Amino acid sequence: KQEVTQIPAALSVPEGENLVLNCSFTDSAIYNLQWFRQDPGKGLTSLLLIQSSQREQTSGRLNASLDKSSGRSTLYIAASQPGDSATYLCAADFTGTASKLTFGTGTRLQVTL
Amino acid sequence: EAEVAQSPRYKITEKSQAVAFWCDPISGHATLYWYRQILGQGPELLVQFQDESVVDDSQLPKDRFSAERLKGVDSTLKIQPAELGDSAMYLCASSPGPGLAGGRTGELFFGEGSRLTVL
Repeated sequence: KQEVTQIPAALSVPEGENLVLNCSFTDSAIYNLQWFRQDPGKGLTSLLLIQSSQREQTSGRLNASLDKSSGRSTLYIAASQPGDSATYLCAADFTGTASKLTFGTGTRLQVTL
Repeated sequence: EAEVAQSPRYKITEKSQAVAFWCDPISGHATLYWYRQILGQGPELLVQFQDESVVDDSQLPKDRFSAERLKGVDSTLKIQPAELGDSAMYLCASSPGPGLAGGRTGELFFGEGSRLTVL
């Protein structure tokens, strides 16, 4: 069964720290991996999309990497801010059929003052 | 900025009642998805449409759930009768087809979701 796992389930860091969120997946035959942000009670906001042919993507203070051989992706957040507090989910497309995604359960991030 | 619209945002119903959710995807997006997210878990795909056709409904509990996208634009997800275990966030998402200007293959755009509570 193709699965996506995110550890830890929750993380608390002081403002200004750089941090890394982890995502692992069971099938290296991945087409793409997407990172999302979800605020409490809200929908998902796409942050970064990495195609299988890419190794990383960057957007502002965010950098996501993809290592298919080890079945891992990381989301790096530089200089964290209280506004970064949210749940971060990664999702893998194992089928390549127009984005059927398998989601992890997310990492709940709290950035404290 | 274009968004995926969903309604209602919140719905409280009693078990055995019928409930319906509506989604309007980003204009021009041919692919539409309904996901269900139970509290504390990641979203799980219920049904995927390509234009008006169902591409994947393998995880849709067809005895009580139905979904349609008659004109290939907006979509309705219905539950009848609702059960206690259906309490969840129902998320609609859309994605542009390959070749659509500005679209990246595989990128999904989600709406705000419809929170269902079944009593």
